[in-house]
Amino acid sequence: GNSVTQMEGPVTLSEEAFLTINCTYTATGYPSLFWYVQYPGEGLQLLLKATKADDKGSNKGFEATYRKETTSFHLEKGSVQVSDSAVYFCALGSAGGTSYGKLTFGQGTILTVHP
Amino acid sequence: GAVVSQHPSRVICKSGTSVKIECRSLDFQATTMFWYRQFPKQSLMLMATSNEGSKATYEQGVEKDKFLINHASLTLSTLTVTSAHPEDSSFYICSAGSGGPAADTQYFGPGTRLTVL
Repeated sequence: GNSVTQMEGPVTLSEEAFLTINCTYTATGYPSLFWYVQYPGEGLQLLLKATKADDKGSNKGFEATYRKETTSFHLEKGSVQVSDSAVYFCALGSAGGTSYGKLTFGQGTILTVHP
Repeated sequence: GAVVSQHPSRVICKSGTSVKIECRSLDFQATTMFWYRQFPKQSLMLMATSNEGSKATYEQGVEKDKFLINHASLTLSTLTVTSAHPEDSSFYICSAGSGGPAADTQYFGPGTRLTVL
């Protein structure tokens, strides 16, 4: 079945540091890949997505590239801000059949950015 | 656009009572809605998938008689936790999908914190 493995946290960085959160997946077919962010006290928000191999999703300075050869979708940001402190979830969308539309989530990575 | 609301945001109930949680898509028609459960500092676990006008599809291990899901319209789905017990205390999150070109994108509600005493 489908599974997503995320880098364990928590991750603590200083403002303007470089961020990488690793995400690898196991899936059949050609799934879509997502990063969701959950700010304290709020629901999940879609941060970025990629629907096919070599696609790069980007938003708010974050980016991730769909690497089929390494089954990875690592999240990166060149310079984090305090406001980026949140929980980040990597997710995989089922490619089709009766599971179409279902999301499989990684365990989440807590990011804390200090001034 | 693509706003999903949940009501209530928090609920505290006594053991043995039933609790209904509403999930609404405010500015789009949701052909499919999903219900998740999130334990503290853990990931989201899909409980069930509901399509408007049809019975929900439950994930393995989820008791369909305990977690009743109704998707009566394209903008509303409800989750009823029947005869709630303390172990049902959790954060319940719904999401909605609109189909079409972005069929694989879900929009999430803010969640409902259920505490069963």
